[in-house]
Amino acid sequence: AQSVTQPDIHITVSEGASLELRCNYSYGATPYLFWYVQSPGQGLQLLLKYFSGDTLVQGIKGFEAEFKRSQSSFNLRKPSVHWSDAAEYFCAVGSYNKLIFGAGTRLAVHP
Amino acid sequence: NAGVTQTPKFRILKIGQSMTLQCTQDMNHNYMYWYRQDPGMGLKLIYYSVGAGITDKGEVPNGYNVSRSTTEDFPLRLELAAPSQTSVYFCASSWGTGAEQYFGPGTRLTVT
Repeated sequence: AQSVTQPDIHITVSEGASLELRCNYSYGATPYLFWYVQSPGQGLQLLLKYFSGDTLVQGIKGFEAEFKRSQSSFNLRKPSVHWSDAAEYFCAVGSYNKLIFGAGTRLAVHP
Repeated sequence: NAGVTQTPKFRILKIGQSMTLQCTQDMNHNYMYWYRQDPGMGLKLIYYSVGAGITDKGEVPNGYNVSRSTTEDFPLRLELAAPSQTSVYFCASSWGTGAEQYFGPGTRLTVT
């Protein structure tokens, strides 16, 4: 069955530090992969997506993600975190008519 | 372009009451979804629809009903509300299978 695992429930980084959020998926075919961000009290906003082609994908707000088929991973990165990046981040894989979401990683940013 | 809109934003229900959560999208998307998000948890799919007149169950459909009479609207009906249905409900839409979904702002529901 398709599934998405985000191994880190909470991550804390200092402002200006680099960030990597991990995402592993289980899917039989070439996956459609997504990262969403949810600020407190808000809905989910799409950060970036991978359908095919270049395995390094650029998104909004300075985020990027790299698809690694051999590792079944789609990790999200940002070179320098801003305080406004504090939020919850969800990885998802497209499966038939649905998206399968991971449980999320909550990011805290220290000043 | 309003995107996906949901009403109401907040609602408190008593046990056993019923209500309908409204969802409308103006992007002409065929696919629409209802999720619930419990505190500190990810999203669980309740129901989805791939077009007007077509609906299907998701992961947690018990206690809910949906209908899809138009492309734009996808209301979620709660019958006989229970405390376990206290959650934040999100509606989403997409253009097709496996595509990115666009989310509404959510409805925070409390059942007491």
